[in-house]
Amino acid sequence: KAGVTQTPRYLIKTRGQQVTLSCSPISGHRSVSWYQQTPGQGLQFLFEYFSETQRNKGNFPGRFSGRQFSNSRSEMNVSTLELGDSALYLCASSSLGFGYEQYFGPGTRLTVT
Amino acid sequence: KNEVEQSPQNLTAQEGEFITINCSYSVGISALHWLQQHPGGGIVSLFMLSSGKKKHGRLIATINIQEKHSSLHITASHPRDSAVYICAVEYFGNEKLTFGTGTRLTIIP
Repeated sequence: KAGVTQTPRYLIKTRGQQVTLSCSPISGHRSVSWYQQTPGQGLQFLFEYFSETQRNKGNFPGRFSGRQFSNSRSEMNVSTLELGDSALYLCASSSLGFGYEQYFGPGTRLTVT
Repeated sequence: KNEVEQSPQNLTAQEGEFITINCSYSVGISALHWLQQHPGGGIVSLFMLSSGKKKHGRLIATINIQEKHSSLHITASHPRDSAVYICAVEYFGNEKLTFGTGTRLTIIP
């Protein structure tokens, strides 16, 4: 079974721009969750999608949004980028969400200049 | 405030040593995860447990629900075990992962 894939792996953007990151879960998994990792704040939960519905959201501003498609692939979007958005963005998939094992993707490293 | 605390923050040991990493949390949880992150960023799930003990190869994870404490043990440590180990919990009624700050483990040959 193929693992979780994320595209792109690396991205450089300018302040004020927007960015869309993609996550393809393991086949058959219906839950995708997103995380931000920075040296200062560590790993933080962004949101979780299950069957195209957002089930939970972390404490991030509305500039961070996401969606999930019928094939369970998920995208997250960050609008009006700030320097502080520079981070490693990870997604994880699981069969039914939390309470089940999480499988992480390799991450997208976003640099905002 | 729901927090997860790990200790130690950094650990350097000689190859072959027995390693213990600790994780404490503040209120009741439905599950606790131990994760491994290598340089480059990829995260691998090592264990998910809600009670007792699990073992996989040289790795052992235990949890004490009453004490709100979990430990990750590595027997016969090897340089390839060098990584950051992260504890994450799922609090009751709050379906998300809350992460510890991680323990950076370095095994010297």
